[in-house]
Amino acid sequence: QKEVEQNSGPLSVPEGAIASLNCTYSDRGSQSFFWYRQYSGKSPELIMSIYSNGDKEDGRFTAQLNKASQYVSLLIRDSQPSDSATYLCAVTNYGGSQGNLIFGKGTKLSVKP
Amino acid sequence: GAVVSQHPSRVICKSGTSVKIECRSLDFQATTMFWYRQFPKQSLMLMATSNEGSKATYEQGVEKDKFLINHASLTLSTLTVTSAHPEDSSFYICSAHRSGSNQPQHFGDGTRLSIL
Repeated sequence: QKEVEQNSGPLSVPEGAIASLNCTYSDRGSQSFFWYRQYSGKSPELIMSIYSNGDKEDGRFTAQLNKASQYVSLLIRDSQPSDSATYLCAVTNYGGSQGNLIFGKGTKLSVKP
Repeated sequence: GAVVSQHPSRVICKSGTSVKIECRSLDFQATTMFWYRQFPKQSLMLMATSNEGSKATYEQGVEKDKFLINHASLTLSTLTVTSAHPEDSSFYICSAHRSGSNQPQHFGDGTRLSIL
């Protein structure tokens, strides 16, 4: 069974620090990897996508992918209280290009002022 | 960016009522739409995958006669919760996938359903 594992947290970091969120996946055929942010009571919002090994940076966010280790991470630099949310890792192998995502259960991040 | 509109955002109704939720992709054609349910402090649970012009594929344990899905066009999918009961109260979220590899899902704002 295809699985995506995340530490549920809560992960607590002080404002201005780097928050590091980790995710492992079981399906070696996974090709696309996404990080979604979900505020309490709201729907998920896509914040990062990564498809090849290495780092991808977008503003304060950096996604890291290591397919050999089946590991994907999200770094948030200069964390702000507004970053406090649950972060969902999602992967897919896009069989048939249908876009089926497998979600982790999410890591709750709390940024303390 | 890709925009997905979900309506209504909140429904409160009596037990036994059927509720229809609409999901529209506003600026792209979505060959596939997904319906999720999320209970408080739980993760997203995929209910069904909806492909335009064909029958939806339901996840194990989801009653297809209870949760009717119609995907009549490339921009609209609907979920009807038939004869809703209090245990159906949840946060229902749709997402749409633009055809092509490496495209993410884009989520609607969700519908909070409360059955009295």
